Amino acid sequence: KAGVTQTPRYLIKTRGQQVTLSCSPISGHRSVSWYQQTPGQGLQFLFEYFSETQRNKGNFPGRFSGRQFSNSRSEMNVSTLELGDSALYLCASSPRLESSYNEQFFGPGTRLTVL
Amino acid sequence: TQLLEQSPQFLSIQEGENLTVYCNSSSVFSSLQWYRQEPGEGPVLLVTVVTGGEVKKLKRLTFQFGDARKDSSLHITAAQPGDTGLYLCAGVLRSSYGGSQGNLIFGKGTKLSVKP
Repeated sequence: KAGVTQTPRYLIKTRGQQVTLSCSPISGHRSVSWYQQTPGQGLQFLFEYFSETQRNKGNFPGRFSGRQFSNSRSEMNVSTLELGDSALYLCASSPRLESSYNEQFFGPGTRLTVL
Repeated sequence: TQLLEQSPQFLSIQEGENLTVYCNSSSVFSSLQWYRQEPGEGPVLLVTVVTGGEVKKLKRLTFQFGDARKDSSLHITAAQPGDTGLYLCAGVLRSSYGGSQGNLIFGKGTKLSVKP
């Protein structure tokens, strides 16, 4: 099976702009989660989508939003970018079966730099 | 407040040495997972432990889940340069009825460097 893919891999934006990141999960996985990783805070949960519905949300401002399409592909959007939004954004998919423990299969990430 | 505390934050050792990294919490988890992340890549799942006191072995890696389900450890025997990376523990909180609640919570990780 192909792994989780994320596009683009690298992105440079300026303050005030907005950005959209894309994620394609492993085939058959219906859950997609997004995380922000920074050296100071580590991996922080943004949100999870399952069958096109937001299932869980982390403690991030409303500038961070996401959606999931019927084919399970997901996008996240960050509006009005701030310098502090510079981070590695990781997407992870999971089969989310009742018998599983929410194991995450991560993509390589999108490195966002805000200038 | 970090729900999962990992120690040490950084570890630099020589090839062939043994090491243990720790993942501690004051909260009870229904399960704990360990991931390894290499530079420029996303984390890769190594193991999931689900039963208090459980021990799992993956070649030279030994994972243990504490009896009270509040902590876990990862022991590496005879470390090799290929073990270099960021080791992350992550868990799902145990709910009052014994199931799982909420999303996966990550520790900040232990950055391991194994020198040849």
